[in-house]
Amino acid sequence: NAGVTQTPKFQVLKTGQSMTLQCAQDMNHNSMYWYRQDPGMGLRLIYYSASEGTTDKGEVPNGYNVSRLNKREFSLRLESAAPSQTSVYFCASSTTGYNQPQHFGDGTRLSIL
Amino acid sequence: RKEVEQDPGPFNVPEGATVAFNCTYSNSASQSFFWYRQDCRKEPKLLMSVYSSGNEDGRFTAQLNRASQYISLLIRDSKLSDSATYLCAVIGGFKTIFGAGTRLFVKA
Repeated sequence: NAGVTQTPKFQVLKTGQSMTLQCAQDMNHNSMYWYRQDPGMGLRLIYYSASEGTTDKGEVPNGYNVSRLNKREFSLRLESAAPSQTSVYFCASSTTGYNQPQHFGDGTRLSIL
Repeated sequence: RKEVEQDPGPFNVPEGATVAFNCTYSNSASQSFFWYRQDCRKEPKLLMSVYSSGNEDGRFTAQLNRASQYISLLIRDSKLSDSATYLCAVIGGFKTIFGAGTRLFVKA
């Protein structure tokens, strides 16, 4: 039972570098999400994709871009990393329907120096 | 005011104790509610849904109070393994908002 798989698990970047966080789910879910979690601030939605082919901004989209590559995969890209983007990033997915719970990957710990 | 608020704790309780957490929400149109458990340095995992009439899953009881706009989670007979952070999630207007979580430490 893979569920939601994120890669990499850990990454250290220098300011200004770019990278892409990968997320794939095997639960045939239509909706996928990217969050960041910082101490004391809970989960904040960066971007989401309600279905294949659509993406929308969440609460904190600045500095990020996303691609819904297909139904299974939803990637998050940092074009020019900044220290303020040091965080733990979680990908999640859910079935169709706005009242469905989300299922999370095990996260990517990203440090930007 | 935050859309969803939780007491951050920590709650320190002995094994066998009963402990309850609340989660308040500001959007009166919110329609779906969930509790998640998050272990240190791990991902949030769905613990249980919260139904209007209240629901129970073993030692865990979830309740919804629409009039006062909060949900609660009651844990009976606490175990050491219950030590974690408990997040509430509130869905309304096609949007899910997570609380920042309440930390629970269960001591032997």
